Amino acid sequence: EPEVTQTPSHQVTQMGQEVILRCVPISNHLYFYWYRQILGQKVEFLVSFYNNEISEKSEIFDDQFSVERPDGSNFTLKIRSTKLEDSAMYFCASSQGVNYGYTFGSGTRLTVV
Amino acid sequence: GIQVEQSPPDLILQEGANSTLRCNFSDSVNNLQWFHQNPWGQLINLFYIPSGTKQNGRLSATTVATERYSLLYISSSQTTDSGVYFCAVDTYSGAGSYQLTFGKGTKLSVIP
Repeated sequence: EPEVTQTPSHQVTQMGQEVILRCVPISNHLYFYWYRQILGQKVEFLVSFYNNEISEKSEIFDDQFSVERPDGSNFTLKIRSTKLEDSAMYFCASSQGVNYGYTFGSGTRLTVV
Repeated sequence: GIQVEQSPPDLILQEGANSTLRCNFSDSVNNLQWFHQNPWGQLINLFYIPSGTKQNGRLSATTVATERYSLLYISSSQTTDSGVYFCAVDTYSGAGSYQLTFGKGTKLSVIP
C-alpha cells in the first residue's frame, strides 16, 4: 500500500534555530497537508497546499512557518526560528481529493530545547 | 468551526471484551475517518466512512450522517488495540479547500 514518508522521525533543535521537516506524499495525490499534535492533545490543522500554493492556513501557521514543494515529489515545512512551544509531533498528509481519504505519514517528533 | 466530540475520553477493557466508541459532530461533513494512534505516535487509518457500515476483522464502524454521529466497534479486544482512537471529519473550509478536524480522542487501555 502506498505510504506518505516523513523524515526525520525525531529532531532536537535549539530555540531560535531553523528546522525543515520533509515529506514525500503519495505520488498521484494532489492535496498536501501539515498537521501538528502537541503531546497529549488533539491533532491540529496547520496548512493545506494544492496546485503549488497554499489553499488555507490556520492561526497557528504564522510568519515563522512556510511550506514548499521544491521538486514535484517532496513537500517541506520550515520553521524559521523555533520556539519552545513548537515542540510537537508534526504530521504530513496527502489526498487524491474530495471524496477520498487522507493518508498520514508516521510523523516527525520535534523537540525544541 | 465544526465541533467533534468523542466519548468516552478514557476506556479500560479486559482482554477479550467488546467496546463501542462514539463520535458526534456538529454540522454536515463531506467525509469521516477513524484513526488509531499507536504508542509510537503513528496515525493508522482504520476506516474512511462518510456513511453506512464497514467491517475490517474485529473492527467495524457505522456512520449515520443525517444524525451526525459515527460509532467504532471493537470486538474481542487485544492488548495491541491499546492506544488513542481519533475520529476526524472532512469539511469544506472555503476557497476550494477541505480540511480534517479531529476530536480529542478516546484513550483505550486493554489489560491482560
